[in-house]
Amino acid sequence: KAGVTQTPRYLIKTRGQQVTLSCSPISGHRSVSWYQQTPGQGLQFLFEYFSETQRNKGNFPGRFSGRQFSNSRSEMNVSTLELGDSALYLCASSLRVGANVLTFGAGSRLTVL
Amino acid sequence: AQKVTQAQTEISVVEKEDVTLDCVYETRDTTYYLFWYKQPPSGELVFLIRRNSFDEQNEISGRYSWNFQKSTSSFNFTITASQVVDSAVYFCALTPINTGTASKLTFGTGTRLQVTL
Repeated sequence: KAGVTQTPRYLIKTRGQQVTLSCSPISGHRSVSWYQQTPGQGLQFLFEYFSETQRNKGNFPGRFSGRQFSNSRSEMNVSTLELGDSALYLCASSLRVGANVLTFGAGSRLTVL
Repeated sequence: AQKVTQAQTEISVVEKEDVTLDCVYETRDTTYYLFWYKQPPSGELVFLIRRNSFDEQNEISGRYSWNFQKSTSSFNFTITASQVVDSAVYFCALTPINTGTASKLTFGTGTRLQVTL
C-alpha cells in the first residue's frame, strides 16, 4: 500500500514568487491536512481538506491556500513568498475528518532566497 | 488554548541504555487525545501511539512504553535498551476529542534522541 506522496521533495524559490506543493494521500483516505515545520515555530497546522472543502484552518495569513480534488489529492499554494516561509511542509492523510491518527508524507522542503 | 512542552531538547545515550522522553501538556478540554510521533532523518512523521484522556493505563509495545499521568498532565515515553535505529526526533502532540477539529494537532517542540554505539 503506497504511503502519502509529496512532490516536489525540494525546491528553491525567491522572495515574491509563488509555489504550489502537491500531496497524494493513501488510497481510500479522504482527509488531507497540511503542517508547516520550522526550527523557530515547530510544527504548526495549516489547514485540513475533506471532500474538496476546507474543514479546518490554522493561524496563517491568506497567502497560504489550498485545495482538494475529487480524487482526494491536495495542493497547497503560497503566494508572494517571504524568507520566513522557508520550511518543511508536511502533508498528512486520514480516513475522514476527525480521524486523528494521521499518516504523514516525507514533506516538501522549501527554501526561499 | 493548548500547549505541549517537551523540555528536553536533545538527549544522547549509548546503545542499550534506557531513555525517557518527557511530555507535559496543558488543555482546558476535559477529553483529549495524546500522541507520540517519531521523525527520522528522512522527514516523515511516524505515528507511535495514541492515548485518550479516559485511559490512564500504561502501555508497552516491545521496547517502547508510555506512562500517562493525568494528575501531573504528563505523557512520558520510555525506550528500553535503546538502539542506534531509535535515533530521531520525537514529538508529543495533543488534540481535543472533537470530531470536527481532531486532525488539528498541537505539537511539542520535539526531543532529538541520539543513540551511539
